[in-house]
Amino acid sequence: AQSVTQLDSQVPVFEEAPVELRCNYSSSVSVYLFWYVQYPNQGLQLLLKYLSGSTLVKGINGFEAEFNKSQTSFHLRKPSVHISDTAEYFCAVISGGYQKVTFGTGTKLQVIP
Amino acid sequence: DTGVSQDPRHKITKRGQNVTFRCDPISEHNRLYWYRQTLGQGPEFLTYFQNEAQLEKSRLLSDRFSAERPKGSFSTLEIQRTEQGDSAMYLCASSDRGGGNEQFFGPGTRLTVL
Repeated sequence: AQSVTQLDSQVPVFEEAPVELRCNYSSSVSVYLFWYVQYPNQGLQLLLKYLSGSTLVKGINGFEAEFNKSQTSFHLRKPSVHISDTAEYFCAVISGGYQKVTFGTGTKLQVIP
Repeated sequence: DTGVSQDPRHKITKRGQNVTFRCDPISEHNRLYWYRQTLGQGPEFLTYFQNEAQLEKSRLLSDRFSAERPKGSFSTLEIQRTEQGDSAMYLCASSDRGGGNEQFFGPGTRLTVL
């Protein structure tokens, strides 16, 4: 079975400060990992994904994430946040032969001016 | 192509009524997924189609729920005898390959059961 844990339900951060949103996954087989962003009353948009290869993955809007197999983590980072980054961020995993995506419970990023 | 579309965007209904939602995937995508998202939670998988075949269903999909994709293009999700616990955002996604390929999400249908 696959599962995702996002430990922080809310993360407040000042504008132009760095941010890290934490994600840990559980799976007994190889995984594909994703970060999605959801703005209010909208669907989900893919920020970045890890399928294989380099463990540092760069995505849209200046975000990046690092896959750490030994720690089963896939934390999302941005060196300098903007007001427009205020949204909810979901970590997700696909493992084995499954087609379904398993999502974490989400982290609300609140950027403070 | 403008992406995955869902209709309606909002639906308010009374308990016990039936509702039907529609999803139009990106045209060349053969895989289609339905998810449910309740307040404060991440989306939860409901069901998955490859072309017209429904290949996987979650235990969340009770016998009041049925999904179809008759011609391998658009899909419908019907909820019969709605309950207040069915109130949620229903998300549709599509992809052109399984596994690690990106699933593109629609804007969702927000259902409120009074």
